[in-house]
Amino acid sequence: DTGVSQDPRHKITKRGQNVTFRCDPISEHNRLYWYRQTLGQGPEFLTYFQNEAQLEKSRLLSDRFSAERPKGSFSTLEIQRTEQGDSAMYLCASSSLGQGNSPLHFGNGTRLTVT
Amino acid sequence: QKEVEQNSGPLSVPEGAIASLNCTYSDRGSQSFFWYRQYSGKSPELIMFIYSNGDKEDGRFTAQLNKASQYVSLLIRDSQPSDSATYLCAVNVIQGAQKLVFGQGTRLTINP
Repeated sequence: DTGVSQDPRHKITKRGQNVTFRCDPISEHNRLYWYRQTLGQGPEFLTYFQNEAQLEKSRLLSDRFSAERPKGSFSTLEIQRTEQGDSAMYLCASSSLGQGNSPLHFGNGTRLTVT
Repeated sequence: QKEVEQNSGPLSVPEGAIASLNCTYSDRGSQSFFWYRQYSGKSPELIMFIYSNGDKEDGRFTAQLNKASQYVSLLIRDSQPSDSATYLCAVNVIQGAQKLVFGQGTRLTINP
């Protein structure tokens, strides 16, 4: 078990560019979550998947954000036309449906800086 | 009113003493409660979770839950400098999926 893996660890981009992040969950986990954390705040829920189905999206997730989990394994989070306010740590986590309220285990995160 | 509130600190505790971290939440229907530790620049790391009223102990850590008063706390006994971090309280507001609402975190410093 290698834990939740995220790539890249850091991303610096210019305003207006598109970026894509990848998350590989713990292999037997069928639920995958994306959270965002800004400096001095706790993480905020963005969206989650059960297998390949995206079951809920936060209103924080504007139309510029899209997440996919095409085969129910890894997930991608894309941000189009990035803005400086998108600068944050993007955290991925996974859990197992079969264990009821199995706690979330986060990956190391992708830190995005928009200049 | 924020859904999950924590004192942002900083909370300073001498080494070897008990550190007490508190959290209140607004949604009475909340089902499960979590404490995460976060070192600067790192991702949150799960320390403990608690579902039922009362105390839950794990090593030097004790989580306490009082649903009637809508608060959850974390006690760290025999505090070590390595415990210096931000502690995040999180509440699950729905059944099943882990849609957690986090507090802003309490920054804890253990002084040698």
